[in-house]
Amino acid sequence: AQSVAQPEDQVNVAEGNPLTVKCTYSVSGNPYLFWYVQYPNRGLQFLLKYITGDNLVKGSYGFEAEFNKSQTSFHLKKPSALVSDSALYFCAVKEGGNNRKLIWGLGTSLAVNP
Amino acid sequence: EPEVTQTPSHQVTQMGQEVILRCVPISNHLYFYWYRQILGQKVEFLVSFYNNEISEKSEIFDDQFSVERPDGSNFTLKIRSTKLEDSAMYFCASSGRTSGNTIYFGEGSWLTVV
Repeated sequence: AQSVAQPEDQVNVAEGNPLTVKCTYSVSGNPYLFWYVQYPNRGLQFLLKYITGDNLVKGSYGFEAEFNKSQTSFHLKKPSALVSDSALYFCAVKEGGNNRKLIWGLGTSLAVNP
Repeated sequence: EPEVTQTPSHQVTQMGQEVILRCVPISNHLYFYWYRQILGQKVEFLVSFYNNEISEKSEIFDDQFSVERPDGSNFTLKIRSTKLEDSAMYFCASSGRTSGNTIYFGEGSWLTVV
């Protein structure tokens, strides 16, 4: 069965420091991987995705993520965190092909301290 | 930038009442979805809709739920007889033809059943 794990409920980082939000996944076929961000009282906003090609994908607001097939991971990173990055981050996966259903992690709350 | 819009943003309803949540997907998208997020839990897939019919649904999407595209722009989720456990944030989403296309979400409709 497909699943996504975000092992950290919360990540705290100082402004200006690099941040990593971890995600591992399990699918039976080739994965399509996504990161979404949710600001307080807002919807789910797309950040970036991996479908195929280069393992390092770049997205909105300076975020990037690296697909690692051997470790079945897709960690979200940013070289220098901003206070405004504080939000809830969700990793999601779906199998390639015609499958349309996203399977979600529980989310990781990122707090960037000034 | 095109976006998915949802109404209402918040609705309080009595147990047993019918609720209709409305969505306007992105105009050139072909796939439409409903997801829900119960407070503190994972985002869960409810249903996907393509070519005027349900393409996939989850176990959650039982007979009390229905979806409809009544005209060329709206996509609705109806809950026939609400239960307390239906209290959740309901997200509408849409995507293009290709499976790798990004799924874009609306701001959500927060449903409280009392």
